[in-house]
Amino acid sequence: GDSVTQMEGPVTLSEEAFLTINCTYTATGYPSLFWYVQYPGEGLQLLLKATKADDKGSNKGFEATYRKETTSFHLEKGSVQVSDSAVYFCALQGANAGGTSYGKLTFGQGTILTVHP
Amino acid sequence: EPEVTQTPSHQVTQMGQEVILRCVPISNHLYFYWYRQILGQKVEFLVSFYNNEISEKSEIFDDQFSVERPDGSNFTLKIRSTKLEDSAMYFCASRDSSGIAYEQYFGPGTRLTVT
Repeated sequence: GDSVTQMEGPVTLSEEAFLTINCTYTATGYPSLFWYVQYPGEGLQLLLKATKADDKGSNKGFEATYRKETTSFHLEKGSVQVSDSAVYFCALQGANAGGTSYGKLTFGQGTILTVHP
Repeated sequence: EPEVTQTPSHQVTQMGQEVILRCVPISNHLYFYWYRQILGQKVEFLVSFYNNEISEKSEIFDDQFSVERPDGSNFTLKIRSTKLEDSAMYFCASRDSSGIAYEQYFGPGTRLTVT
């Protein structure tokens, strides 16, 4: 079945440091890939997405590129802020060749990011 | 901006009791989901619901669980006889039928504590 593996956390950085959170996946068919963020005490918010190979998703300075050859979707940000402290989840949504899906998301284990001033 | 809402935010119940978790999805959405997150673990899919029936469910979603859309706005998850291991954060999500990447919108969650 589908699965997502994220790098082990937690990750602790100083403000303005470069961030990478690795994510690799296993899936059949043509999955869409997502990064969700969970701020303390809140639900999951979509951060960015990519629907096909070589697509780059971006939002709020975060980027991730859908790499089919390495089955990866690593999250990057050039300069993190204290407000980026949160839990980050990589997720995939499987789809068949026709592109249809009921939308079940498969999540990675989450990576806790803490950014210090 | 429309949002998914969930009630209650925190539910404490005794083992063996029935609980109903409530969700109000975004009004024009057609697909509905429940996920759960046991403390410190990954978010897990429970069930998806479309056109007034379950479209997919996980192994977790056994006979103790049921879902219902009793009216045009609410979407509920019922656990008939709660167990200690049901303690988790339960998230409801919804999406509409369009959109390339079928984006799901999540509610803030209900923390269920079974004692």
